[in-house]
Amino acid sequence: GENVEQHPSTLSVQEGDSAVIKCTYSDSASNYFPWYKQELGKRPQLIIDIRSNVGEKKDQRIAVTLNKTAKHFSLHITETQPEDSAVYFCAALRVAGGTSYGKLTFGQGTILTVHP
Amino acid sequence: NAGVTQTPKFRILKIGQSMTLQCAQDMNHNYMYWYRQDPGMGLKLIYYSVGAGITDKGEVPNGYNVSRSTTEDFPLRLELAAPSQTSVYFCASSSTGNWGSEQYFGPGTRLTVT
Repeated sequence: GENVEQHPSTLSVQEGDSAVIKCTYSDSASNYFPWYKQELGKRPQLIIDIRSNVGEKKDQRIAVTLNKTAKHFSLHITETQPEDSAVYFCAALRVAGGTSYGKLTFGQGTILTVHP
Repeated sequence: NAGVTQTPKFRILKIGQSMTLQCAQDMNHNYMYWYRQDPGMGLKLIYYSVGAGITDKGEVPNGYNVSRSTTEDFPLRLELAAPSQTSVYFCASSSTGNWGSEQYFGPGTRLTVT
């Protein structure tokens, strides 16, 4: 099955700096890569996603890049703010053969701390 | 819309007891999922459903059972609880199971087995 590795496990930055979180996946058939943010004690929420036919996607201060050849994708947060402090999870979806749906495999998570 | 709701929020079980975690969604989503999140770890898929009456195993199904008699509800049953099932359980739903379909998560159930 799919395996998703996420690095680093913790990331500490100063307010205003950029933060980058990287994920690698094992199954070249995976075609959808969402990123979820989970604040302490809260539920995960989607912040950005990218499909396999796109190399980069941006939404204000966050962006995601995808390198299908190398099988890795990254989350970039610019001008970080204290409210960006949370756990971030990457995930990869592979549609099961002969079906129109798939299952998400999550990375282990990155604890991002933004210091004021 | 309430979105995805889960009950209870917290529960302490003794080893060998059983319980059902409830999950409901009011978004008319066909796809529903159960995940567990162990401390410092990502989410692992336990079971999922692609519609009423259709369920399938995820990555870590042992010790759990599910049913999907309606589109709205997707309960997770724990039989003979074990300490290894101590975790936070999240239910989620999505409108499709393919790319671009956001999974909406419930608030979670924190379960401790002692």
